[in-house]
Amino acid sequence: GDSVTQMEGPVTLSEEAFLTINCTYTATGYPSLFWYVQYPGEGLQLLLKATKADDKGSNKGFEATYRKETTSFHLEKGSVQVSDSAVYFCALSPGAQKLVFGQGTRLTINP
Amino acid sequence: DTEVTQTPKHLVMGMTNKKSLKCEQHMGHRAMYWYKQKAKKPPELMFVYSYEKLSINESVPSRFSPECPNSSLLNLHLHALQPEDSALYLCASSSPLGPSGNTIYFGEGSWLTVV
Repeated sequence: GDSVTQMEGPVTLSEEAFLTINCTYTATGYPSLFWYVQYPGEGLQLLLKATKADDKGSNKGFEATYRKETTSFHLEKGSVQVSDSAVYFCALSPGAQKLVFGQGTRLTINP
Repeated sequence: DTEVTQTPKHLVMGMTNKKSLKCEQHMGHRAMYWYKQKAKKPPELMFVYSYEKLSINESVPSRFSPECPNSSLLNLHLHALQPEDSALYLCASSSPLGPSGNTIYFGEGSWLTVV
C-alpha cells in the first residue's frame, strides 16, 4: 500500500541554519505530494505541494521538489527562524479524498 | 482564501454528556472530513462526506455520529465518550475541481477532553 517515511526527529537547529527534512514515499501511480506544518496548539496548515514529477513547491522560504526517480520530497529552507519551530508532516494523496501522512518531524529552532 | 472554521476550540465533557463539534467552510468545497489526532501522531481519518453524503467511515465507534446539513457545514455529534477519546479533532475540506485538485485544507481543530 501507499506509505510515507519521514526522518525521525526531534530536530534541533540554531537560528539561520540550513534545514533539510527528508521524506520518501511508496505509491502506485502518480500521487500528489504535500508538506503540512502544525504549530504548537494549532491545526494543520498546508505549507506547500507538488502535483507531478519535477514540480517544485515553495512557500515562506521553504521548498520541496517532487523527485520521481528517488521517490522523495525533501523539505528545505536556507535560513530557519525561531518561528519555524513546529511539527512538519509529509503526505501523499493517491487520489481524491485520500491522504497518507508520514509520522511527523518535530523541529525546534534555538535563538 | 482557504479557511475552515471549527467550534468550539476547546471542549471538556463528561462520559455521559452529549455534545457536538461544528465545522464550516465557504470555499465551495464539496468534500468534508473529520480527522482525529492524538499527541505526537499524525491525523487519522474518521469520516468523509462527498456532496453531503457519507462516503467513507473508517470503522469509527457509533458514539461518534457525523452529520452534514449542507455543503458548507459538518457536525460531529459526541455521546457516551471514553477518556481515550480525548484528542484534537480536525475538520477539513477539499474540492476535486479546479486548480486545487485533491488538496485537503484543515481547520484549527477542536481540543476535546473527556473526563
